[in-house]
Amino acid sequence: SAVISQKPSRDICQRGTSLTIQCQVDSQVTMMFWYRQQPGQSLTLIATANQGSEATYESGFVIDKFPISRPNLTFSTLTVSNMSPEDSSIYLCSAGPEANEKLFFGSGTQLSVL
Amino acid sequence: KNEVEQSPQNLTAQEGEFITINCSYSVGISALHWLQQHPGGGIVSLFMLSSGKKKHGRLIATINIQEKHSSLHITASHPRDSAVYICAVPFAGGTSYGKLTFGQGTILTVHP
Repeated sequence: SAVISQKPSRDICQRGTSLTIQCQVDSQVTMMFWYRQQPGQSLTLIATANQGSEATYESGFVIDKFPISRPNLTFSTLTVSNMSPEDSSIYLCSAGPEANEKLFFGSGTQLSVL
Repeated sequence: KNEVEQSPQNLTAQEGEFITINCSYSVGISALHWLQQHPGGGIVSLFMLSSGKKKHGRLIATINIQEKHSSLHITASHPRDSAVYICAVPFAGGTSYGKLTFGQGTILTVHP
């Protein structure tokens, strides 16, 4: 199993600024993913964070808005850039599963943009 | 993209009742996940299953791959079971790795 430490747990930010969210895994994992959960909605995949290469973004998400780093097999960051109130959401990272294993999630970052 | 439908969206029960939450999906998969999300956002993985049934304590999950349907049952429900329950399947069908699409969740409230 894996434990993922995500920080910050919450933040209140001003419009136009950027916030970087970090996820640290206690073991090496091949794949990490970033999700957004808008108020009252389910999770939506933002991108897959690949070690040693650029992240792969899903439709509706772009690198300029959500740059992602994956410098090694235990760490990833997501930056929410030039924030607007519409970016107010919970952001979660996840890892795995490897075959026949469960998923592991960070504890989430509650972001509010004023 | 796999489409996921959960029912019911909201469920209220009295302590001790038997609970069933259903999940249907559109594209064939090799495995499905059931997740539990508590207020504040933290998500816990309950089950990953590819066939038949799995049981953990008072929780039972079943899946019918041919019918593209899964159910999560809670026996002898308790107020601490109150949470959002979410099913998730591979984004484009097929193998179950972390690129997933999620149901909208079932909000369960269990009253003492």
